[in-house]
Amino acid sequence: QVQLQESGPRLVKPSGTLSLTCAVSGGSFSSSNWWNWVRQSPGKGLEWIGEINHSGSTNYNPSLKSRVTISVDKSKNQFSLILSSVIAADTAVYYCAREADSSGWGAFDIWGQGTMVIVSS
Amino acid sequence: ETVLTQSPGTLSLSPGERATLSCRASQSVISNNLAWYQQKPGQAPRLLISGASSRATGIPDRFSGSGSGTDFTLTISRLEPEDFAVYYCQQYGSSPGTFGQGTQVEIK
Repeated sequence: QVQLQESGPRLVKPSGTLSLTCAVSGGSFSSSNWWNWVRQSPGKGLEWIGEINHSGSTNYNPSLKSRVTISVDKSKNQFSLILSSVIAADTAVYYCAREADSSGWGAFDIWGQGTMVIVSS
Repeated sequence: ETVLTQSPGTLSLSPGERATLSCRASQSVISNNLAWYQQKPGQAPRLLISGASSRATGIPDRFSGSGSGTDFTLTISRLEPEDFAVYYCQQYGSSPGTFGQGTQVEIK
């Protein structure tokens, strides 16, 4: 049973960098799945941030692309999110999620519990 | 990007009643790649339906999805107490994937 767990700082200063990691357990990270980051804020609801596969190929939401980097560390069975130049509007619950379909066009069948990140000085 | 509009915003029903939730897309959803999720307070979304009508593993058959193109529906045939939650639709047929704003199903 694959499980996902987000970790990282809960408070980030404006103009700083948000950095989160998603640990994958209970399954092979080197499978053909795509691994995603999604955030949820009261103002914008659920928003897809981007995705990565085990080979390191990425796709990003154009609205965030200039500030987002997603990377993978297969040796540690984890993938990471970096969001730079954060503002208050980046305050949200951040989720990592697995895409069910290896094609890259799939629903998200497994989610982490989410981690709240607040952008504030 | 494809904008998803869910209606109604809130649905007030009693246990045992039928719930019908709507999700309308601003353009046709490619391959009917439309999913429905349930979210309870303090929890992550839970996948209910993918491909517009395929139930995810372990999802009770009182949940059903239908529709194609731009109009999709989630039906809960008989509401159980644990079904009162917020429901989101998501399209994953074109990038970026997008979510609807949600429908809250509350106890009447």
